[in-house]
Amino acid sequence: EAQVTQNPRYLITVTGKKLTVTCSQNMNHEYMSWYRQDPGLGLRQIYYSMNVEVTDKGDVPEGYKVSRKEKRNFPLILESPSPNQTSLYFCASYEGQGAPISGYTFGSGTRLTVV
Amino acid sequence: ELKVEQNPLFLSMQEGKNYTIYCNYSTTSDRLYWYRQDPGKSLESLFVLLSNGAVKQEGRLMASLDTKARLSTLHITAAVHDLSATYFCAVARYGGATNKLIFGTGTLLAVQP
Repeated sequence: EAQVTQNPRYLITVTGKKLTVTCSQNMNHEYMSWYRQDPGLGLRQIYYSMNVEVTDKGDVPEGYKVSRKEKRNFPLILESPSPNQTSLYFCASYEGQGAPISGYTFGSGTRLTVV
Repeated sequence: ELKVEQNPLFLSMQEGKNYTIYCNYSTTSDRLYWYRQDPGKSLESLFVLLSNGAVKQEGRLMASLDTKARLSTLHITAAVHDLSATYFCAVARYGGATNKLIFGTGTLLAVQP
């Protein structure tokens, strides 16, 4: 089954403790992206990657890191999480590098709480 | 900066009624996407509108795009409870240093029996 897999689904952590949210897709998609969803703010892009070893900042990159060493994986790293990073996170991907013809395929989401 | 606005933000409607959700965007774009999100779930793609005048229908939902007015509508016909969800529109912004979908804030639809 074609899918984007995120792990974990739920995570509660303490301020300052480094964490990684994994994202993997099995569709050989070039483009991958991370979004966060907050009430009243919709979805905002954190980082995106057009292909292996090519990453760039989105609208809200502060406090996050990403890497794209393999085409299928695009982990999101929070080096020192803070409570304002409590949010619902989505990984997304699509085939190609221009505007998506059929939209993104989204992962199932990771609900992160930082206390 | 491209902005995407949805109206209304919250919609409570009775089963069997019709209603329309509006999506306005501030600068030119030729691709408009509609997604559905159930509570605590991921986003599911509903429609992709690729050109001016495009109309797509699936069941009780119909989406249209007017690129000149920078407006897309999602029309709900004879609503049923199963349509209760949050609906997002999104506009593609690609080229240069920007590659993303820009989402509206969503419309929470509650269909009452």
